Amino acid sequence: QVQLVESGGGVVQPGRSLRLSCAASGFIFSNYGIHWVRQAPGKGLEWVAVISFDGSNKYYADSVKGRFAISRDNSKNTLFLQMTSLRADDTAVYYCVKGGTAVQTEDYFDYWGQGILVTVSS
Amino acid sequence: QPVLTQSPSASASLGASVKLTCTLSSGHSNYAIAWHQQQPGKGPRYLMKLHSDGSHTKGDGIPDRFSGSRSGAERYLTISSLQSEDEADYYCQTWGTGIVFGGGTKLTVL
Repeated sequence: QVQLVESGGGVVQPGRSLRLSCAASGFIFSNYGIHWVRQAPGKGLEWVAVISFDGSNKYYADSVKGRFAISRDNSKNTLFLQMTSLRADDTAVYYCVKGGTAVQTEDYFDYWGQGILVTVSS
Repeated sequence: QPVLTQSPSASASLGASVKLTCTLSSGHSNYAIAWHQQQPGKGPRYLMKLHSDGSHTKGDGIPDRFSGSRSGAERYLTISSLQSEDEADYYCQTWGTGIVFGGGTKLTVL
């Protein structure tokens, strides 16, 4: 069965950096685009970033462009999100999410991780 | 980029049916969407992809009580024989010119 397990969250001070990881299993990781989606406390879902199946294309929400970097290691079935210059409004649960169609980058989502909390606070 | 509009809340009685709506903005009425459910305290779960022709493809283990349909720019999620565990937030999502979510509908089962 498909599993997406996030790690690396925690409490970090404003302006500092944090790296999230997502370990994937149960599907051919290298065939699918993978996304990060976040949810601030009590708020709705916000798409953050996507990386194409082969890592050649990366797209970001305007709110994180220039501060966050998405990457993947297909040999280890792992997705990353490097977050820098963190701000209080980056506080959220971050979800690793699998695209539904092989090879396609912009796509619907068919599996979600359980999420990991990132709190930006002094 | 399309905008998805959802009513903030809905309610229906246990055992009844409810139809949730997601409206695509002008000029985007042929976009496909997906529906996701988020039960209290949990991460979201994919329910179904609603294709532009109105057919739908459900996620693993999604009961037959959940179905999707469309009319013009509106996309619907119908839940029949409501159960207590259906009380959740429901989000629609589209893609093609960026990834977009609706604001979500909080469904209360009375």
